[in-house]
Amino acid sequence: DTEVTQTPKHLVMGMTNKKSLKCEQHMGHRAMYWYKQKAKKPPELMFVYSYEKLSINESVPSRFSPECPNSSLLNLHLHALQPEDSALYLCASSQDPSGRSRGTDTQYFGPGTRLTVL
Amino acid sequence: AQTVTQSQPEMSVQEAETVTLSCTYDTSENNYYLFWYKQPPSRQMILVIRQEAYKQQNATENRFSVNFQKAAKSFSLKISDSQLGDTAMYFCAFSTPYNFNKFYFGSGTKLNVKP
Repeated sequence: DTEVTQTPKHLVMGMTNKKSLKCEQHMGHRAMYWYKQKAKKPPELMFVYSYEKLSINESVPSRFSPECPNSSLLNLHLHALQPEDSALYLCASSQDPSGRSRGTDTQYFGPGTRLTVL
Repeated sequence: AQTVTQSQPEMSVQEAETVTLSCTYDTSENNYYLFWYKQPPSRQMILVIRQEAYKQQNATENRFSVNFQKAAKSFSLKISDSQLGDTAMYFCAFSTPYNFNKFYFGSGTKLNVKP
């Protein structure tokens, strides 16, 4: 099973709202990723969690706040977003972020959350 | 710095024919991985094929195969017997084991399979 789930599928929010995106995997993967993707563009990395610790933050504005409560769950908390933040938000996971084991580098993606900020 | 280049923004192919998508990359690393992902209009990124840089043999997965030229830093994807369901954006990606498997993506190639 290589399934990553994301909820909700669609989200519409105003600039003053607070909302959260959720990502879940039960593959025992120890790295989880958040990406932002605009139409017809490749995904842009936002955050990487390795063994539940924030390991990479690609200079993302503070209105995006990630959280990794446990090894299976990843949240992205949204607050005071701008219309230009409207995009597809993808979550991914990989088995071993340490690089010690071959074949554990592949990222498996969820179906994404389509976010619209009004 | 790692960079990945896909020089074909859009391509078309007739159903049942063969098409090749190009990808080049630049890195000073010796140990790395290369991937092709497919993103259909349904939007989920799906792994098509993976290649380890230390392996000289080209990876194959059913109708999908790669031509990996390490010296030339080239990693093209060949799709044989194209099917309508192959219509999608295709992204080439690169990662190393030293930075949490961080992906570097190419800009993508939109493939249209015509009946």
